[in-house]
Amino acid sequence: SSELTQPPSVSVSPGQTASITCSGDKLGDKYVCWYQQKPGQSPVLVIYEDVKRPSGIPERFSGSNSGNTATLTISGTQAMDEADYYCQAWDAGTAWDTSTVLFGGGTKLTVL
Amino acid sequence: QLQLQESGPGLVKPAETLSLTCTVSGGSISSSSYYWGWIRQPPGKGLEWIANTYYTGNTYFNPSLRSRVTISVLTPENQMSLRLSSVTAADSAVYYCARFPPREGAFDYWGQGTLVTVSS
Repeated sequence: SSELTQPPSVSVSPGQTASITCSGDKLGDKYVCWYQQKPGQSPVLVIYEDVKRPSGIPERFSGSNSGNTATLTISGTQAMDEADYYCQAWDAGTAWDTSTVLFGGGTKLTVL
Repeated sequence: QLQLQESGPGLVKPAETLSLTCTVSGGSISSSSYYWGWIRQPPGKGLEWIANTYYTGNTYFNPSLRSRVTISVLTPENQMSLRLSSVTAADSAVYYCARFPPREGAFDYWGQGTLVTVSS
């Protein structure tokens, strides 16, 4: 399958843990990354290579990937984390011209 | 600090060709370490990958858009371009360019995006 499936919305109370899933066929065999996008802004990379955080991304953001599901976890969620989150995988393919980038449909995280 | 800036017409007529340019500053588009990508986002909707290109011209495409997309790299100007032919209202979107290090498989730097509306 060439699709990544995310829940449309997730709600969390401030200070609690938010988990956003991303499902796809044999997703655990690929590297998954996650982007945060706030209204009117460009996406920001928050997790890459399943578990790594770019410089400047808070430690409360973490990731995992196994089997058919990748998960973005936000511990101690803050109001500033309210945003849309997108997963993305890269299938390197058997040759460079068969490589494919896949995005999930996005999840709106509400902190209430 | 790497910066990417998209530019081009904000309004395109149906059936015509959408043309955008991405200008890279603070880094070289000819770097052997990176691909450069185009991604779009219709208003209120999710992200859709269009294509990734290397400075040599090697490009891979979203299969659903491949027949209508042309990507060029202009190394002296440190730019890449996107041309999307035979546009319809469904092609109205914010178009982003971004850097893609293949060893990470992620877009690590993004432009601010440019809104293109397809309308007569």
